[in-house]
Amino acid sequence: EVQLVESGGGLVQPGGSLRLSCAASGFTVSSNYMSWVRQAPGKGLEWVSVIYSGGSTYYADSVKGRFTISRHNSENTLYLQMNSLRAEDTAVYYCARLLDAFDMWGQGTMVTVSS
Amino acid sequence: QSVLTQPPSVSGAPGQRVTISCTGSSSNIGAGYDVHWYQQLPGTAPKLLIYGNSNRPSGVPDRFSGSKSGTSASLAITGLQADDEADYYCQSYDSSLSGWVFGGGTKLTVL
Repeated sequence: EVQLVESGGGLVQPGGSLRLSCAASGFTVSSNYMSWVRQAPGKGLEWVSVIYSGGSTYYADSVKGRFTISRHNSENTLYLQMNSLRAEDTAVYYCARLLDAFDMWGQGTMVTVSS
Repeated sequence: QSVLTQPPSVSGAPGQRVTISCTGSSSNIGAGYDVHWYQQLPGTAPKLLIYGNSNRPSGVPDRFSGSKSGTSASLAITGLQADDEADYYCQSYDSSLSGWVFGGGTKLTVL
């Protein structure tokens, strides 16, 4: 079955760090463009980051310099390292495969930044 | 404020037709980038509904259709059903921001 399963969310204090994981099955992460998209409570969708099959990475201005996207090819897993977290980073974080569109999404993992 | 503008809400009775607009600019939709649409049922992850402006993924009923013209796009839903109640998002790429952008979302209520 083709699917994405996120993990690693939780409660973290402002200024703290968290690493999200997204385990893929049924396709190869490293052969695809993979992305993170987040959704703050009661709000819309916001693109966060992408990693191309060639390894290039890009970030939304709101997270640039604080978040790092990466992948582990042998584990077929996508990661998002989040540092210097702020209250406004509170959201459900989804990993998604990016073809022309975001054609496959995980179930999401909740990140809450609060003291 | 989202880069792509959608109406916050639309509604229609069962069996009726509704449309949801998505207005962009010359750096996204008007630049020729494709528009995609997603359906998000309450408490679930978004699901791809329309890709490449007007194409339906396998399994999406032909009651859903998309179109694009100039700096705008629209999603049409015919034969409204109760389980169409969801949030709908348009999405494209923006060359000025060098990133992927979403509309603010439209909540569809089936009366």
